[in-house]
Amino acid sequence: AQKVTQAQTEISVVEKEDVTLDCVYETRDTTYYLFWYKQPPSGELVFLIRRNSFDEQNEISGRYSWNFQKSTSSFNFTITASQVVDSAVYFCALSGHNAGNMLTFGGGTRLMVKP
Amino acid sequence: DARVTQTPRHKVTEMGQEVTMRCQPILGHNTVFWYRQTMMQGLELLAYFRNRAPLDDSGMPKDRFSAEMPDATLATLKIQPSEPRDSAVYFCASGSGGTSGTNNEQFFGPGTRLTVL
Repeated sequence: AQKVTQAQTEISVVEKEDVTLDCVYETRDTTYYLFWYKQPPSGELVFLIRRNSFDEQNEISGRYSWNFQKSTSSFNFTITASQVVDSAVYFCALSGHNAGNMLTFGGGTRLMVKP
Repeated sequence: DARVTQTPRHKVTEMGQEVTMRCQPILGHNTVFWYRQTMMQGLELLAYFRNRAPLDDSGMPKDRFSAEMPDATLATLKIQPSEPRDSAVYFCASGSGGTSGTNNEQFFGPGTRLTVL
C-alpha cells in the first residue's frame, strides 16, 4: 500500500518569506517516483517536478527547491522569497514502480502568501 | 503547446440524469486517468487506462459509473443515474510510460465541475 502525508493543511506567510511544505511517504516498492503539483485558485493541476527514488540529489528551479531524503521518507518543497502568485494548494504524490503510472496523492497544503 | 482537454467545463444536472464527461489526452500519451476531487476526500483515482485498455477502476462505484476509451483520442466517464453526492470536480490526466520503464508525470486537464441537484 502507498500513502502520502502532508501534515500541514494550511500555511500563511508574508511575501518574501521562505516557506517549506512537508511531504512524507510510505511505499513497499524499492523503485518509486515522487511528484509535486500546484493547484492555483483557477483549479487546474500543474506539474512541478518528478523525482526517482534512486536519485537523491536535491533540485533547484528558480525560487523552488526540493529536498529528497530517503532515510526519512520525505520529499519537502521549499519556496524562497515567496510571492503572492505562489498562493495555491500544493500536492505531493507518489507512484510505485509496480503501480504503473498510478498516483497516490497527499491531502494537499494550502499556501497563502500575503502582500 | 499540447494540453489535455475536457468537456464540459461545468455541468449542472438534476438527480437521476445521465452525465457524460469527455477527455482528449495529449497526442502520443498511452495512459489516461480519471480523478475526482472533493473537499472531503481530496483527489481520488477512479479509473486508469493504458493503451486504451482499462487497468484499474477499483476506485469507481461500478453500479453507476463507467469509463471507456473508444479510441486513442477520446476517454469518457459516464454517471447514470447521477446523485447529489457525485458533485465534485472530475479531472482527466494523461501520461506516458508505466510499464517496466519510468513512471512519467501525468498532465491534467482543466477539470469538469459537476453539480447534481
